[in-house]
Amino acid sequence: NAGVTQTPKFRILKIGQSMTLQCTQDMNHNYMYWYRQDPGMGLKLIYYSVGAGITDKGEVPNGYNVSRSTTEDFPLRLELAAPSQTSVYFCASSYSPAGEAFFGQGTRLTVV
Amino acid sequence: GENVEQHPSTLSVQEGDSAVIKCTYSDSASNYFPWYKQELGKRPQLIIDIRSNVGEKKDQRIAVTLNKTAKHFSLHITETQPEDSAVYFCAALDRGSTLGRLYFGRGTQLTVWP
Repeated sequence: NAGVTQTPKFRILKIGQSMTLQCTQDMNHNYMYWYRQDPGMGLKLIYYSVGAGITDKGEVPNGYNVSRSTTEDFPLRLELAAPSQTSVYFCASSYSPAGEAFFGQGTRLTVV
Repeated sequence: GENVEQHPSTLSVQEGDSAVIKCTYSDSASNYFPWYKQELGKRPQLIIDIRSNVGEKKDQRIAVTLNKTAKHFSLHITETQPEDSAVYFCAALDRGSTLGRLYFGRGTQLTVWP
């Protein structure tokens, strides 16, 4: 049972480049989330989704975009990367908002 | 939106002692409060949660208490062991939006010395 799988694990981007962080889950969860984790700042919600075709902004959505065409996949797109987007990104999924969230292994992104 | 404050930011205890981490929240409509543990370089994992219709919940050496009136909840770890060393995050579910979002505290780095 794979759970939540994120790719890549590490990435270095140059300022202005774009990239997509991939996230897939095999638990048939409707709820999926993208968080960023900065040192000493906890987890901040970027975007989330309650099912295919439905997404909404979280606390820190600027500079990011998402799509949810299937239940399994929830990619996060970074356009015009900036140094402020250097962070560790976690994708997560859950059966319900008030239930256990299962996290992927994280993507460490550095923008230089 | 919800605002979750977590204290302390760092906590060092001797093996066998107890550890307590406290969180406050701002939205009285919040009704779900999970705690996640994140070991170094690993992903966060749920260790315990509590809902607003319950005042206390225990799971072996871990317990969580909730005071809805004061809008605060706490994690208690008894008989701490070195493997308890990790960052612990509290969170509160924002029911003000139709979709419900978790707001996390900034985390507590717990170090248990042998």
